[in-house]
Amino acid sequence: EDQVTQSPEALRLQEGESSSLNCSYTVSGLRGLFWYRQDPGKGPEFLFTLYSAGEEKEKERLKATLTKKESFLHITAPKPEDSATYLCAVRTRFRGGSEKLVFGKGMKLTVNP
Amino acid sequence: EAGVVQSPRYKIIEKKQPVAFWCNPISGHNTLYWYLQNLGQGPELLIRYENEEAVDDSQLPKDRFSAERLKGVDSTLKIQPAELGDSAVYLCASSLRSGESTEAFFGQGTRLTVV
Repeated sequence: EDQVTQSPEALRLQEGESSSLNCSYTVSGLRGLFWYRQDPGKGPEFLFTLYSAGEEKEKERLKATLTKKESFLHITAPKPEDSATYLCAVRTRFRGGSEKLVFGKGMKLTVNP
Repeated sequence: EAGVVQSPRYKIIEKKQPVAFWCNPISGHNTLYWYLQNLGQGPELLIRYENEEAVDDSQLPKDRFSAERLKGVDSTLKIQPAELGDSAVYLCASSLRSGESTEAFFGQGTRLTVV
């Protein structure tokens, strides 16, 4: 069964304190790994797509990396406005050749000023 | 460019009543998804459309849930009758196409409360 596990479930950081969020996955046929940011009361906002092990992508203070079993979202010198829930999702091949997007539970990040 | 538009934003209904949600995807996006998100959980797929065809509805509780996407653009998701356990956020998303790893863009969601 396809599984996506995010850790930790919640993280509190001081402004400027860098850290990493982990997303581990067990899927049959990875067709892409996605990171989303979700603010309270809003839908998920797309951040990154990673396709193959070794790939990295950056956006402002965020950097996403991918290995064969997990992905990391590195946050460098975070600011309070980075506070949100970060969701990881993997696209896998489903039955009949169809594809499915499976989400983790998310990781709630709080950055204190 | 307008994003995915959903309405209503909030809905409170009594149990056993019907409810419907509406979604207008990003222009040109062939693939449309309906997701359910419970508090503290990630989104879970209910149904996926490729144009007007429902290609993955394995997670849709068909005894009370139905969906349609007429003309391959707007979509509605209906629950009849609603149960207390249906209280959640219903998210609509769209992407250019599936079959390739194109990202999905989400709407704001409809928060349903069944009392």
